[in-house]
Amino acid sequence: DTEVTQTPKHLVMGMTNKKSLKCEQHMGHRAMYWYKQKAKKPPELMFVYSYEKLSINESVPSRFSPECPNSSLLNLHLHALQPEDSALYLCASSQPRLAGGPKASTDTQYFGPGTRLTVL
Amino acid sequence: KQEVTQIPAALSVPEGENLVLNCSFTDSAIYNLQWFRQDPGKGLTSLLLIQSSQREQTSGRLNASLDKSSGRSTLYIAASQPGDSATYLCAVAPGTYKYIFGTGTRLKVLA
Repeated sequence: DTEVTQTPKHLVMGMTNKKSLKCEQHMGHRAMYWYKQKAKKPPELMFVYSYEKLSINESVPSRFSPECPNSSLLNLHLHALQPEDSALYLCASSQPRLAGGPKASTDTQYFGPGTRLTVL
Repeated sequence: KQEVTQIPAALSVPEGENLVLNCSFTDSAIYNLQWFRQDPGKGLTSLLLIQSSQREQTSGRLNASLDKSSGRSTLYIAASQPGDSATYLCAVAPGTYKYIFGTGTRLKVLA
């Protein structure tokens, strides 16, 4: 199974709402990522979890709150968003390459289909 | 600060043509480089990954090369097909986990 799933596919929310985006993978990957992609722009890295710990936070506003409950799940909690936060939110996973590690890995990132978020 | 640029921004070719997409990056200290394709409104699909110690990778009709010293990578697509129509993105990893994406090339292959 080389699939990363994301729910919901579409989300419309008001600026006062609280919602969550979910991402799941069953490939045994230990790194999971959140990206934000605006129309006709490349994805921008937001957060990286490595072995369930937050490794990278690219100075993302606190209205976005990531959570990694276990090695297969990644959530992005949303609160008090602005209309400019409307975008496609992409989740990805990879198995980091470790020197001398027991399994070959390639750092290849597997992406989910994304959640299309609209903030009114 | 690492910057990644892709040329051309858009490309339209007849079916069967061989083509080359270009990716340039400003800092040669990279961990790896990946090429992805993205269909409209969809997620990304990894095509090829080149580790910093490698010069090229091949998969089917695709061949990607990496020249770190000049800050360049190319994606060669042989015998293009309408199904190859998509946006192609290169992504540079300056370190583990961190990826910086290029501006993308929108490819249209005409039947």
